[in-house]
Amino acid sequence: SQQGEEDPQALSIQEGENATMNCSYKTSINNLQWYRQNSGRGLVHLILIRSNEREKHSGRLRVTLDTSKKSSSLLITASRAADTASYFCATDAYSGGGADGLTFGKGTHLIIQP
Amino acid sequence: EPEVTQTPSHQVTQMGQEVILRCVPISNHLYFYWYRQILGQKVEFLVSFYNNEISEKSEIFDDQFSVERPDGSNFTLKIRSTKLEDSAMYFCASSEVNTQYFGPGTRLTVL
Repeated sequence: SQQGEEDPQALSIQEGENATMNCSYKTSINNLQWYRQNSGRGLVHLILIRSNEREKHSGRLRVTLDTSKKSSSLLITASRAADTASYFCATDAYSGGGADGLTFGKGTHLIIQP
Repeated sequence: EPEVTQTPSHQVTQMGQEVILRCVPISNHLYFYWYRQILGQKVEFLVSFYNNEISEKSEIFDDQFSVERPDGSNFTLKIRSTKLEDSAMYFCASSEVNTQYFGPGTRLTVL
């Protein structure tokens, strides 16, 4: 089965710096999504990148996808204390039937030091 | 902005009891999902639902579990005879096409 695995597992940076998190997966995908989770809370959707896309931007977020390496990265620019959270990548396989379940990685715990 | 809602936020039950977790997906969405997250572990897919039937399910979703859309707005997950290892956060999600939007979760504690 496919898996998203993020690295690093934990990342601590100073406010204002950029944070980069990586994700690798094992099998072909249809889409890759990034989510944020604050401690004990729900998952907030950040961005979706399709398998035929290489880069996508949304505000301070930049996501890249390299399907040949089966990897993706999430860059958060000009980090803020409020960005402190766990970040997960999630993949879905193209089954043609819709309603694909997502496979999540273990996540990167990001801490922004004020 | 529309959002997925879940009730209750926290459910405590005795081992062997049945629980029903409730979700109200975003109104124009067609696909519905349940996931769980055991404390400190990954979010795991349980089941997806489309057109009033199960579309896909994982190995975790065994006979103990069932899902239902009893009316035009609710989507429920029933756990028939809870076990200690069912203690987890349960997330409902819905999507119009690909982007899945998650609810805040129900924390289930089985004693």
